[in-house]
Amino acid sequence: GIQVEQSPPDLILQEGANSTLRCNFSDSVNNLQWFHQNPWGQLINLFYIPSGTKQNGRLSATTVATERYSLLYISSSQTTDSGVYFCAVQNLGWGKLQFGAGTQVVVTP
Amino acid sequence: GAVVSQHPSRVICKSGTSVKIECRSLDFQATTMFWYRQFPKQSLMLMATSNEGSKATYEQGVEKDKFLINHASLTLSTLTVTSAHPEDSSFYICSAPGGNTGELFFGEGSRLTVL
Repeated sequence: GIQVEQSPPDLILQEGANSTLRCNFSDSVNNLQWFHQNPWGQLINLFYIPSGTKQNGRLSATTVATERYSLLYISSSQTTDSGVYFCAVQNLGWGKLQFGAGTQVVVTP
Repeated sequence: GAVVSQHPSRVICKSGTSVKIECRSLDFQATTMFWYRQFPKQSLMLMATSNEGSKATYEQGVEKDKFLINHASLTLSTLTVTSAHPEDSSFYICSAPGGNTGELFFGEGSRLTVL
């Protein structure tokens, strides 16, 4: 199956700081999603982004499909941004959404 | 976005009993749903693919007799953990593709504790 690697595994930020999370994957994909898992466990859809760039408020994401990576940018971080950020990918051959190990983000006041 | 709902959100049961978890697509139809399991501090692992009107497809290492999946309608899939034991304690979360892009939407998750 497809391999998904996320970095860094942990990130501690001061409120107001900017950060970049990275997702590398081992094969071509037809689906790539970024999620935020809140403290109650719910997965919140952030971006559906198999290629290109998208922005939603303080968050933006870029996927460079030809180089097999995606980046999630968090700007002006807030304490509510704390949680685990997952990248998940799917390709036609594998057909299933494969999750990375996640990045644990802690934003301190 | 599409809405997927799970019930119950939390369940505590005694060892040896069976527990049923429901997953509903509220504003769309889903011929396929996916069941994931998540242990503390770990990522999500796909357990099985639920197919409306046919048998579920289980991932390697997942016991089909332990985790019974039924997808009887286009809006409902159920996961039954049979004869639950403490090692089955985990966070179970379902998902379904909504819209025409294949984007997956997840339910709230169900936290199972087996005493």
